[in-house]
Amino acid sequence: QSVLTQAPSASATPGQRVTISCSGSSSNIGSNTVNWYQQLPGTAPKLLIYGNNQRPSGVPDRFSGSKSGTSASLAISGLQSEDEADYYCAAWDDRLDGPVFGGGTKLIV
Amino acid sequence: QLQLQESGPGLVKPAETLSLICSVSGGSIGSRNYYWAWVRQPPGKGLEWIGSMFYGGGTYYNPSLKSRLTISADTSKTQFSLKLTSVTAADTAVYYCARQRSYFDSSGYDWFDPWGQGTLVTVSS
Repeated sequence: QSVLTQAPSASATPGQRVTISCSGSSSNIGSNTVNWYQQLPGTAPKLLIYGNNQRPSGVPDRFSGSKSGTSASLAISGLQSEDEADYYCAAWDDRLDGPVFGGGTKLIV
Repeated sequence: QLQLQESGPGLVKPAETLSLICSVSGGSIGSRNYYWAWVRQPPGKGLEWIGSMFYGGGTYYNPSLKSRLTISADTSKTQFSLKLTSVTAADTAVYYCARQRSYFDSSGYDWFDPWGQGTLVTVSS
């Protein structure tokens, strides 16, 4: 059982915009920033968004993050087939005193 | 460009100790701004933070694993390790090492980047 809650799957067609949501509590998302990781099949996770809405160098601006209260969202616009992956949200948890992850959302394009 | 690479046995017997090493190239684990972490992923499941260390400073562990866990650094500043004792089948997972940036500035900022490619450890007799 993951501390952060994500829908197990999402689907969309190429070119569309999709939003993946992540729900937490006051001890994690409510008081700390959110990160998103992309995990392509058979590979290690890759940082996609940090600090709620910051993109590391090399991440296309098709990917954007936002946070409101105890929930966060990852939006992907102009979907491409190579975006098919598992997406995980994460945040520091003040109760655990460490980082926690969502259970992941499998995006089907 | 910083790169991380995990290494260690792929098969461990129940009740024994799982030992892994993360080798860092293109940088040093002595960097003052970063922690060095282990994260695992059971087959077909999500990610779980195991624990982290700060070179020359402390370590902090997932409370669910703390009693069995040791994370430490090599004095060469190019490797850090994970030891997990008394393993069971529930510890079967892909184990990743990663560099962790963690600080507080009105809110907590904490992320992992980059990650190693991961190594599968199976606990079985």
